[in-house]
Amino acid sequence: GAVVSQHPSRVICKSGTSVKIECRSLDFQATTMFWYRQFPKQSLMLMATSNEGSKATYEQGVEKDKFLINHASLTLSTLTVTSAHPEDSSFYICSARVGIGQPQHFGDGTRLSIL
Amino acid sequence: SQQGEEDPQALSIQEGENATMNCSYKTSINNLQWYRQNSGRGLVHLILIRSNEREKHSGRLRVTLDTSKKSSSLLITASRAADTASYFCATGAYSGAGSYQLTFGKGTKLSVIP
Repeated sequence: GAVVSQHPSRVICKSGTSVKIECRSLDFQATTMFWYRQFPKQSLMLMATSNEGSKATYEQGVEKDKFLINHASLTLSTLTVTSAHPEDSSFYICSARVGIGQPQHFGDGTRLSIL
Repeated sequence: SQQGEEDPQALSIQEGENATMNCSYKTSINNLQWYRQNSGRGLVHLILIRSNEREKHSGRLRVTLDTSKKSSSLLITASRAADTASYFCATGAYSGAGSYQLTFGKGTKLSVIP
């Protein structure tokens, strides 16, 4: 089955640090990847859609300068949380799909804690 | 905006019993998907049902879709302790901008007691 690998699984860092999270599709090519944020006991909130070779599409209310997304290849998308602050602490999850209308395959998430 | 709304928010049952979770949505969809999330992990796709389908089975899972009522149900038969997780429905549809997106509900937290 399709496997998505997300790293790191956990990050603890000081306020002001920039944090990069990687999302890789291991056994399939993903022209589109998605980045979600999940608060405790809440649903997934779509942050942005990452398209290979083009700019990401951000959802309303998501700061594109704060959450930088790069989809440099068909198997890798990165999310960089720039100058992270405690309010950015959350669970970030990426996913990828093979094609439109197909199931999404999720990474295991990254628990980000900003002190 | 969130479209799928699961019901109940939490469900606790004994091992061996059946678990039923419901999902309601508001607008037209292309398909509806159910996912499972173990605590602190990513989501695992369980089953996808298309808008022109009414019922689908996969192992101990049974999903129904009623587009006239804009609702879906997920039934897990003969539950096991390992089924303990949060279950999310997600509606797949094209947005106003023409892009296809999945919109997740808030989930049902299922606890199966051994």
